[in-house]
Amino acid sequence: NAGVMQNPRHLVRRRGQEARLRCSPMKGHSHVYWYRQLPEEGLKFMVYLQKENIIDESGMPKERFSAEFPKEGPSILRIQQVVRGDSAAYFCASSPPNRASQETQYFGPGTRLLVL
Amino acid sequence: SQKIEQNSEALNIQEGKTATLTCNYTNYSPAYLQWYRQDPGRGPVFLLLIRENEKEKRKERLKVTFDTTLKQSLFHITASQPADSATYLCALDRADRGSTLGRLYFGRGTQLTVWP
Repeated sequence: NAGVMQNPRHLVRRRGQEARLRCSPMKGHSHVYWYRQLPEEGLKFMVYLQKENIIDESGMPKERFSAEFPKEGPSILRIQQVVRGDSAAYFCASSPPNRASQETQYFGPGTRLLVL
Repeated sequence: SQKIEQNSEALNIQEGKTATLTCNYTNYSPAYLQWYRQDPGRGPVFLLLIRENEKEKRKERLKVTFDTTLKQSLFHITASQPADSATYLCALDRADRGSTLGRLYFGRGTQLTVWP
């Protein structure tokens, strides 16, 4: 049973370009979470999605950032017009559909975004 | 808002000793508290979960305690080994009364080094 997969593992973008980060949850998991980890800081929640629904996006910056989890395919975190401050490690996590099991989240290896 | 503090950014101990890591929170008590391990360049890995009505939880050489009066959790690694060297993260499920299941709030982590 493969774990959470993220790609790319490393992404370099120039200021103003778009960054697309992909996350495939563990098999059987229908809940996806995105976190951002800035250098020397802790993990910060960004968004919580279920298939075709955004459940909680209170941690997402209001502009330039969007996320989706379509019925088919991976979850996508999209950052438009990237700026240097977006450079960070972005982690995706997933959890199973039943409530009791949602407590534990399984993390992917992360995508390290560098904005030049 | 909730503040999560983990003791000293770095902890260095000798192999065979017990490592004790601290996690303190300031406001609302979480329904549960979790500990994760993170190695450089990797995503967090779940270790243990303890609920608000539990005082202690054990798993092999790991032990977690939870004191809701002190608003503190202690994480112990007994008979520590160099392979235990990593950053350990504390995570809470709730930061205010309105929080819903899903998002986790992480401390900055404590970097543990176990030397031979």
